[in-house]
Amino acid sequence: EDQVTQSPEALRLQEGESSSLNCSYTVSGLRGLFWYRQDPGKGPEFLFTLYSAGEEKEKERLKATLTKKESFLHITAPKPEDSATYLCAVRRSTRTQGGSEKLVFGKGTKLTVNP
Amino acid sequence: EAEVAQSPRYKITEKSQAVAFWCDPISGHATLYWYRQILGQGPELLVQFQDESVVDDSQLPKDRFSAERLKGVDSTLKIQPAELGDSAMYLCASSLRRDRAVSPLHFGNGTRLTVT
Repeated sequence: EDQVTQSPEALRLQEGESSSLNCSYTVSGLRGLFWYRQDPGKGPEFLFTLYSAGEEKEKERLKATLTKKESFLHITAPKPEDSATYLCAVRRSTRTQGGSEKLVFGKGTKLTVNP
Repeated sequence: EAEVAQSPRYKITEKSQAVAFWCDPISGHATLYWYRQILGQGPELLVQFQDESVVDDSQLPKDRFSAERLKGVDSTLKIQPAELGDSAMYLCASSLRRDRAVSPLHFGNGTRLTVT
């Protein structure tokens, strides 16, 4: 069964204090690992897709990396506006029901950045 | 930037009543998903459509939930009768579907359902 575990559940940082969020996964036939940002009361907002071990992607203060078992979301010099819940999800192909490709999410890491 | 539209944003209903949610995906997106997110948890897939066809409803409680996408564009998710445990955020998402590409899901802002 596909599993996605995110740690820590919650993280408090001071503005400018860099850190990393972890996403460990178990899936057969990975077809993409996704990072989303979710603000309270809103839907998840797409950040990155990673496809293969060794791949890295960057956007502003965020950098996502991928290994065969986990992904990291590095946050460099965070600002208060980076406060949100960050969700990790994996997708694999399923050969049943005509090609469904489920996206399985972790529970998220709630990040708070204090000024 | 194109968005996934959902309505209503909030819904309060009494136990045993019927409730319906509507979703309009991004234009041109052939794949549509309904997810449920309980507070403090990640979203969980309820049903996935490819055009007007259901391709995965394995996690949909079919005794009380139904979903349709009649013309392959917008979609409706219905619960009848609602139970207290159905209180959650119901999220709709859409994605392009290309044969060998993996495209991200784009989510709407959801419907927050409270069952009393």
